[in-house]
Amino acid sequence: GIQVEQSPPDLILQEGANSTLRCNFSDSVNNLQWFHQNPWGQLINLFYIPSGTKQNGRLSATTVATERYSLLYISSSQTTDSGVYFCAVHKGGSEKLVFGKGTKLTVNP
Amino acid sequence: NAGVTQTPKFRVLKTGQSMTLLCAQDMNHEYMYWYRQDPGMGLRLIHYSVGEGTTAKGEVPDGYNVSRLKKQNFLLGLESAAPSQTSVYFCASSTDRARPGYTFGSGTRLTVV
Repeated sequence: GIQVEQSPPDLILQEGANSTLRCNFSDSVNNLQWFHQNPWGQLINLFYIPSGTKQNGRLSATTVATERYSLLYISSSQTTDSGVYFCAVHKGGSEKLVFGKGTKLTVNP
Repeated sequence: NAGVTQTPKFRVLKTGQSMTLLCAQDMNHEYMYWYRQDPGMGLRLIHYSVGEGTTAKGEVPDGYNVSRLKKQNFLLGLESAAPSQTSVYFCASSTDRARPGYTFGSGTRLTVV
């Protein structure tokens, strides 16, 4: 099946710093999503981005489908950005959303 | 509030006991899913449903059963709980295959002793 690898596994930042999280996937996909799991466990859908670039406030994401990767950018990070960021992909013909193992982000004040 | 509601939020079971987790959504979504989350493993799909009356196996279906008798509800059953089923369980729903906007519930933390 399709493999999803995220890097780095852990990231520690000072408040105000910028960061880039990467997601590599092993096959062509119809759908790619980024999720944030906050420290209380709630999963929030950040972006639906099978290709191209999207921005939402301080967060933006870019997917280069032909090269099978996606990047999530966090600018001017805040302590509330802490948590685990998951990339998940969906391949055509399958109902499964396959998750990477996540990047754990800690933003210190 | 619109969304996905999971009950219960926490549960402790003894090995061999049975229980049912309930997921309810009020967004008229066709697709519903049960995932489990274990440390360092991300989320893995247990079972899913593409519509009322349908169910299908995901990655890790063994030891679980599901039912989707009503469109808005998706039940996950453990017939004989085992310690390996200690996990956090998430339910999700989505609109359609072409542009699935996933909404997750808040999770059920299950401990089997």
